[in-house]
Amino acid sequence: DAGITQSPRYKITETGRQVTLMCHQTWSHSYMFWYRQDLGHGLRLIYYSAAADITDKGEVPDGYVVSRSKTENFPLTLESATRSQTSVYFCASESRSNTEAFFGQGTRLTVV
Amino acid sequence: KQEVTQIPAALSVPEGENLVLNCSFTDSAIYNLQWFRQDPGKGLTSLLLIQSSQREQTSGRLNASLDKSSGRSTLYIAASQPGDSATYLCAVPANDYKLSFGAGTTVTVRA
Repeated sequence: DAGITQSPRYKITETGRQVTLMCHQTWSHSYMFWYRQDLGHGLRLIYYSAAADITDKGEVPDGYVVSRSKTENFPLTLESATRSQTSVYFCASESRSNTEAFFGQGTRLTVV
Repeated sequence: KQEVTQIPAALSVPEGENLVLNCSFTDSAIYNLQWFRQDPGKGLTSLLLIQSSQREQTSGRLNASLDKSSGRSTLYIAASQPGDSATYLCAVPANDYKLSFGAGTTVTVRA
């Protein structure tokens, strides 16, 4: 399917476990982003990537790791999940900096 | 730091009425402004992107205006329908590549 897809859509994990959220885009967009959405905080940037092998921290990077070995994939890993990481996670992409952003459908993660 | 505000937080209108959604931002040095729609439990759908050099952008029943000097954008939705019920978010790019989002306006269109 064309566009930007996230998997899984829903995930329940236990505190302390490692979990990886996947993001795949078919447009060959240079920029990719991970946001989390929480009530009272809105959307906050976790990490972003300007190109393959180039990543940088956003507002709330602690406890998360990203990689980008291929342009089309941008996985987000929670190294040791905590309850405070219960959230809805969105992946987004842009063809170039400051152009139209496209979002995935989101992953609802619950840490118990 | 760019601050984005959307007022009102919620809006309820009867079907057929025109919708007016407001977005304000503190730093007028923006590249563009983007309006999104979010349905409950869903992702963000891009509605309109208005470039800093534009005054307005139109797509079907949607029209977005931009006044950089006053730090404001308005999204107009003509002849609202129940299917327009959703949360509408505006966002502007910040210097550190992220998008700064408003908290959104939740719209309910009553049949």
